[in-house]
Amino acid sequence: DQQVKQNSPSLSVQEGRISILNCDYTNSMFDYFLWYKKYPAEGPTFLISISSIKDKNEDGRFTVFLNKSAKHLSLHIVPSQPGDSAVYFCAASAQGGSEKLVFGKGMKLTVNP
Amino acid sequence: NAGVMQNPRHLVRRRGQEARLRCSPMKGHSHVYWYRQLPEEGLKFMVYLQKENIIDESGMPKERFSAEFPKEGPSILRIQQVVRGDSAAYFCASSPPQGTANEKLFFGSGTQLSVL
Repeated sequence: DQQVKQNSPSLSVQEGRISILNCDYTNSMFDYFLWYKKYPAEGPTFLISISSIKDKNEDGRFTVFLNKSAKHLSLHIVPSQPGDSAVYFCAASAQGGSEKLVFGKGMKLTVNP
Repeated sequence: NAGVMQNPRHLVRRRGQEARLRCSPMKGHSHVYWYRQLPEEGLKFMVYLQKENIIDESGMPKERFSAEFPKEGPSILRIQQVVRGDSAAYFCASSPPQGTANEKLFFGSGTQLSVL
């Protein structure tokens, strides 16, 4: 039972273009959402987060959008850079729970020069 | 290096042996989390510990797996009598004591366990 779903395993974009990574969730108790970036042989690195009281959060080239009614969030990277090539994980947590995060399976982003 | 340190990076065990994975949190962090990533899967929460206390072990398999975070020394994830299905990447994360907001989880580079 996958509560956080990243349905596309990979995405390839040209440098300078926009990358859009999607994530769906099923648990309506989730109230905090995060994106992590992971390079090979390294641990995940926090990228950006959003609380359920917001529908958008922006940090430099990275913007996360949350659509609670659709239980959907997306990460926009613009402009995309070759250094953004990595695996991106969507994660969620529920209010009142412990600090455990529920992760999606990840999406491999390739940005071509 | 002041980051989360995990060792060993790679661990090979034969079926039935014990695996001990170590994690030293970032300096000043007193909360430790263990996650497991099976091939082609996302990370799955296993256990959340503070010094000398297990706070949440709801993700730990009921048998063979145990974790501790002693007053002194690293956190240890112990897997007894390993089976091939235990082969995975095990990630440790830490967070500071005053804030447990999730973005403050800092992950180590992981231990890749291979069971022959």
